[in-house]
Amino acid sequence: RKEVEQDPGPFNVPEGATVAFNCTYSNSASQSFFWYRQDCRKEPKLLMSVYSSGNEDGRFTAQLNRASQYISLLIRDSKLSDSATYLCVVNRAYGQNFVFGPGTRLSVLP
Amino acid sequence: NAGVTQTPKFRVLKTGQSMTLLCAQDMNHEYMYWYRQDPGMGLRLIHYSVGEGTTAKGEVPDGYNVSRLKKQNFLLGLESAAPSQTSVYFCASSSTGWSQPQHFGDGTRLSIL
Repeated sequence: RKEVEQDPGPFNVPEGATVAFNCTYSNSASQSFFWYRQDCRKEPKLLMSVYSSGNEDGRFTAQLNRASQYISLLIRDSKLSDSATYLCVVNRAYGQNFVFGPGTRLSVLP
Repeated sequence: NAGVTQTPKFRVLKTGQSMTLLCAQDMNHEYMYWYRQDPGMGLRLIHYSVGEGTTAKGEVPDGYNVSRLKKQNFLLGLESAAPSQTSVYFCASSSTGWSQPQHFGDGTRLSIL
């Protein structure tokens, strides 16, 4: 089993739709979780950190379920500019580095 | 407000040649990382550094060497380039370790012929 797995995608959704991505991780001792977005041929950029109680940033909501070892990202009212690949990132417990998931590609269609 | 700067942006090498990729950050971050990204795969960690003068191996270190002589710079060297090292290379930095997000440079596209 891979350390971090994500919905394979791609997701093609119309503008205004709500879309959710899931990510599962294998190391139960992992402590830090992030969502990044990566545009085509660009560097990954931090979208949001994921906190234990869940957190929201505008149209984006992140949830963490430690018992089931998954995190999720919900995007409401999708915009064309949301089209990108979304990367789930999990730390190797108490280590100094992270594992990146393979990403889920989202295309928001007009 | 440069953040993380990588040079060069593009490079084509012949098999067996050597080269060095430079990463510079102006955020006074302690931790720096080198990743490679290949089609259909997530970012894979090559080497990382937890502070000036320190380096450690990541997931895929073979064929690469690194140095962190100054806090702001992290160099990635290819000793004898191979076609399998054709990839996009990203450098990243973070203020501390695993609890803080990473900031990425805009990448170096490297082709080995």
